[in-house]
Amino acid sequence: NAGVTQTPKFQVLKTGQSMTLQCAQDMNHEYMSWYRQDPGMGLRLIHYSVGAGITDQGEVPNGYNVSRSTTEDFPLRLLSAAPSQTSVYFCASRPTGGWNTEAFFGQGTRLTVV
Amino acid sequence: DAKTTQPPSMDCAEGRAANLPCNHSTISGNEYVYWYRQIHSQGPQYIIHGLKNNETNEMASLIITEDRKSSTLILPHATLRDTAVYYCIVRVLYIQGAQKLVFGQGTRLTINP
Repeated sequence: NAGVTQTPKFQVLKTGQSMTLQCAQDMNHEYMSWYRQDPGMGLRLIHYSVGAGITDQGEVPNGYNVSRSTTEDFPLRLLSAAPSQTSVYFCASRPTGGWNTEAFFGQGTRLTVV
Repeated sequence: DAKTTQPPSMDCAEGRAANLPCNHSTISGNEYVYWYRQIHSQGPQYIIHGLKNNETNEMASLIITEDRKSSTLILPHATLRDTAVYYCIVRVLYIQGAQKLVFGQGTRLTINP
């Protein structure tokens, strides 16, 4: 198993550009989520999904869109990048149901918006 | 959301036990305590979790007080590779059964040779 795979690892965007951060997992996990991490801060939840076709907003959803057409993939879209979206983005997945499960994280995408 | 409080930083000598405290005084009865760590901006890594009993695995031990308002993560023989930011997290049941990991600031643990 590859676990949770994020691409790209690094990206530089100009203000106003759009892009999609990719996240894929091969563990058949129902739950997937996106976090951002800014210097000196913990991870903040952007969007999450409880299964294919179902998504919802987290703590900081503005400026981001998500979709979940398959169990494996959970892309994060920036429609019009802003410097405030400069951050490290982490995707995570977790098995369905129950309290007693751990989350698996990808290695992150470091995004710089200039 | 139940909140957690951790010291911002700690130091520990290599080979010694590292004891990382966490306060979660507003934890509710069905919320687990999870510990993750993040090494040098890599993705967070799961360490251990527990509800009310003490837990131990190959990485660490988790001691939860009887009133569940605080816990301690113990790395029994710390190595330089254990230098990382350690997050104490209390899971919260979200809508539609989705669980949200609420990350705080964490504790930056430095293992010194």
